[in-house]
Amino acid sequence: KAGVTQTPRYLIKTRGQQVTLSCSPISGHRSVSWYQQTPGQGLQFLFEYFSETQRNKGNFPGRFSGRQFSNSRSEMNVSTLELGDSALYLCASSFQGADTEAFFGQGTRLTVV
Amino acid sequence: TQLLKQSPQFLSIQEGENLTVYCNSSSVFSSLQWYRQEPGEGPVLLVTVVTGGEVKKLKRLTFQFGDARKDSSLHITAAQPGDTGLYLCAVDQTGANNLFFGTGTRLTVIP
Repeated sequence: KAGVTQTPRYLIKTRGQQVTLSCSPISGHRSVSWYQQTPGQGLQFLFEYFSETQRNKGNFPGRFSGRQFSNSRSEMNVSTLELGDSALYLCASSFQGADTEAFFGQGTRLTVV
Repeated sequence: TQLLKQSPQFLSIQEGENLTVYCNSSSVFSSLQWYRQEPGEGPVLLVTVVTGGEVKKLKRLTFQFGDARKDSSLHITAAQPGDTGLYLCAVDQTGANNLFFGTGTRLTVIP
């Protein structure tokens, strides 16, 4: 069974640009969450999608957005990139979210220059 | 705002030594999870503890949930280089796939 796949693995963008990251969950999983990991702030929850609806949202500015498609694949978008957005972005999928194990992808390493 | 404070922040030990890392909070949790993250990878779930005072063993790893369900510990016996990684405790905030992670302990086991 394939794991969670995130693309691309590495990305370099310039301040002010926007970026879209992709996450393909494990087959059958309907919940997809996104996290940001930085050395200073650690691992922080961005948002969770379930059946194409955003179910929970963390404390991040509106520049961070996401969506989920009918096949459960998810994308997250960051607009007007700032240097502080440089981070490892992780996606986690689970069967239904509540009380089920979350499986993480390898992440996308975003560097903003 | 809840906080999961892990200690120590960094730990470097020789192969074969024992170690304990801690995860502390002032909040009460219905359950708590431990993850290990290796370089270049996402976190992998090691265990979920649910009952106050619960002890779970996973080979050389022993996890304990505090009686009051506010804290937890992870003990590794006879550490091996393969144990190297970032150890994270986490709680599921809303019963959904919405994890709040601790500050992390970065463990290095030297051969």
